Amino acid sequence: QSVLTQPPSASGTPGQRVTISCSGRSSNIGSNFVYWYEQLPGTAPKLLIYKNNQRPSGVPDRFSGSKSGTSASLAISGLRSEDETDYHCAAWDDSLSGWVFGGGTKLTVL
Amino acid sequence: EVQLVESGGGLVQPGGSLRLSCAASGFIFSDQSMNWVRQAPGKGLEWVSYITSSSSIIFYADSVKGRFTISRDNAKNSLYLQMNSLRDEDTAVYYCAAVIAAAGTWGFDYWGQGTLVTVSS
Repeated sequence: QSVLTQPPSASGTPGQRVTISCSGRSSNIGSNFVYWYEQLPGTAPKLLIYKNNQRPSGVPDRFSGSKSGTSASLAISGLRSEDETDYHCAAWDDSLSGWVFGGGTKLTVL
Repeated sequence: EVQLVESGGGLVQPGGSLRLSCAASGFIFSDQSMNWVRQAPGKGLEWVSYITSSSSIIFYADSVKGRFTISRDNAKNSLYLQMNSLRDEDTAVYYCAAVIAAAGTWGFDYWGQGTLVTVSS
């Protein structure tokens, strides 16, 4: 049971905009930055969004992040087939003194 | 080019021990904090442990506290995870992940390819 809650799956058609939610509590998302990682099958995760809504260099601006209260969202616009992979949210938890992750969301491009 | 290469995984019986290593290159290892993150088969990511650049601050997930020990040797550009009293539920791919201070993200900027630990009798 992950501390952060993500939907196990999401889907969209090419060109569409999809969002993936991540729900937490005051001790994690409510008081700390949210991070998003993408993970292609059989590979290591890669940082996609940091500090709620910032993109590392090389990440297309089709990817955006937002946070409100104890929830966060990852939005992907102009959906492409190569976006079909797993997405994980994460945040530091002050109560646990550690990082917490969501269970991951598998995005399918129909 | 930043590289993190984990090693030391394998098959171990419940109650046994393993020591994982992570060899770092392509960045100033001694200046960065490091983490271990694991992923059980078909499951999400789970943070395991964190160590600062000087080893002055260390955190563990409750699930491994008292059984796992994180350490580093800055002279050897290496990170370690000593795992004792292993349980079935410790079966996972273990990744080392670097937080690069200069990047300013304060997230896991670089990850290794992972090493598989299987706990089974």
